[in-house]
Amino acid sequence: QVQLVESGGGVVQPGTSLRLSCATSGFTFITYAMHWVRQAPGKGLEWVAVIPYDGNDVDYADSVKGRFAISRDNPKNTLYLQMNSLREEDTAVYFCATDGIGPYYFDHWGQGTLVTVSS
Amino acid sequence: EILMTQSPATLSVSPGERATLSCRASQSVRTNLAWYQQKPGQPPRLLIYGASTRASGVPARFSGSGSGTEFTLAISSLQSEDFAVYYCQHWRTFGQGTKLEIK
Repeated sequence: QVQLVESGGGVVQPGTSLRLSCATSGFTFITYAMHWVRQAPGKGLEWVAVIPYDGNDVDYADSVKGRFAISRDNPKNTLYLQMNSLREEDTAVYFCATDGIGPYYFDHWGQGTLVTVSS
Repeated sequence: EILMTQSPATLSVSPGERATLSCRASQSVRTNLAWYQQKPGQPPRLLIYGASTRASGVPARFSGSGSGTEFTLAISSLQSEDFAVYYCQHWRTFGQGTKLEIK
């Protein structure tokens, strides 16, 4: 079955960096676009970034553009999110997700990893 | 940027009754709309895509309808496990959610 497992979250200070990983299994990773979606505590869902199957034409939400970088290692079936210049408003649970049944229809999600940015 | 607005923010319904949740887009999204269910401490679960197609494993009591700017998620005969937060979504934009609670 499809599995997505995020890791790398933690408590960091504003202005620092963190890299999240999303290890996947149970599907042909190389054929799917992958996304990061986040959810601040007690708040709704916010799409963060997308990377197509081949790693080209990545895109970001305006709120993270220029600070975050999405990447993937297809031989390792793993997705990454490099987060730089973190701000308190980046505090959230970060989910990785696939859109296997159609663009931006998120049919599989990981359990999420919590990132807390606090001084 | 297309905005997605859900109503109501909270809906109180008794088990066994029908619930109707609404989602409005600020401009036409045709049928490019999804619905998700989220329970506390869990990731969202895709329920409906293409405005009306149930995702794999979703019970038939969930149905989606609408096109253009007005969409509805209906849940017939509410079960205890259906009380959760529901989000609509178009492309990169999610609605703010509707909390479905037990009356």
